[in-house]
Amino acid sequence: EVQLVQSGAEVKKPGESLKISCKGSGYSFTSYWIGWVRQMPGKGLEWMGIIYPGDSDTRYSPSFQGQVTISADKSISTAYLQWSSLKASDTAMYYCARQKWLPDAFDIWGQGTMVTVSS
Amino acid sequence: QSVLTQPPSVSGAPGQRVTISCTGSSSNIGAGYDVHWYQQLPGTAPKLLIYGNSNRPSGVPDRFSGSKSGTSASLAITGLQAEDEADYYCQSYDSSLSVFGGGTKLTVL
Repeated sequence: EVQLVQSGAEVKKPGESLKISCKGSGYSFTSYWIGWVRQMPGKGLEWMGIIYPGDSDTRYSPSFQGQVTISADKSISTAYLQWSSLKASDTAMYYCARQKWLPDAFDIWGQGTMVTVSS
Repeated sequence: QSVLTQPPSVSGAPGQRVTISCTGSSSNIGAGYDVHWYQQLPGTAPKLLIYGNSNRPSGVPDRFSGSKSGTSASLAITGLQAEDEADYYCQSYDSSLSVFGGGTKLTVL
C-alpha cells in the first residue's frame, strides 16, 4: 500500500526549533516530489514548498521562503519540514503530499501533523 | 487572498446537483495547466477527487465530475448525499508553484 506517514503532534514554545517528518512507503520514494501544505485553524490549504528526494531539488512558495526548511533523506524514504524559531502564528496542521510532476495532482496525502506554538 | 477564487459556500438538498467554480487567470488555468480537486471531510486530510480537469481516481463515484474552460474550472456533484458535506479545494500551477483555491464549504440541507 502506498502511504505517507507523518510524525505526531507537537506542542512547542515560541522561539523553539522543530523538525517534523513524512515517511513514504509502498513506492519509489526518489521518483516523486513531496510537497508540504499548511492549514491554519479553520482556514484553507496553503502550498509551502516541495522537494524531489531523488536529487534534493527544492522549491519554496515566496510566502514561506526563509521561514522554513524542507529536506529529505532518501536512504530512509523520509522528508522533513523544519523551523529554527517558531512563532505562535505557525500553529497549524501540516500535511505532506506526493506529486509525480510539478503541475500534477497530489495523489497521496499524509495524515497531518498538528503543531501548536504557545507560551 | 488566493490565486484561484472559489465561492466560500454552496448548499443543496439531497439528490440535487451543485457546482463549485474555480476562477483563475492567464498565468495558471488559462495558461493550460490542469486543475485538480480535493475533498476534505471534517477532521481528515484532503483526498484527491478529480485530477487533470476531469479524471476520477479509482474509487471516486461518478457523481463527481470536473470540467475546465478558459481561465475557469468547475466541479459538479450530482445526486447529492449527506456524506458529501465537506470542504472542496481546487489546485493548479502558476509561476512554477502549486496554488490552491480558498476552498468551498458544501452544506447538504
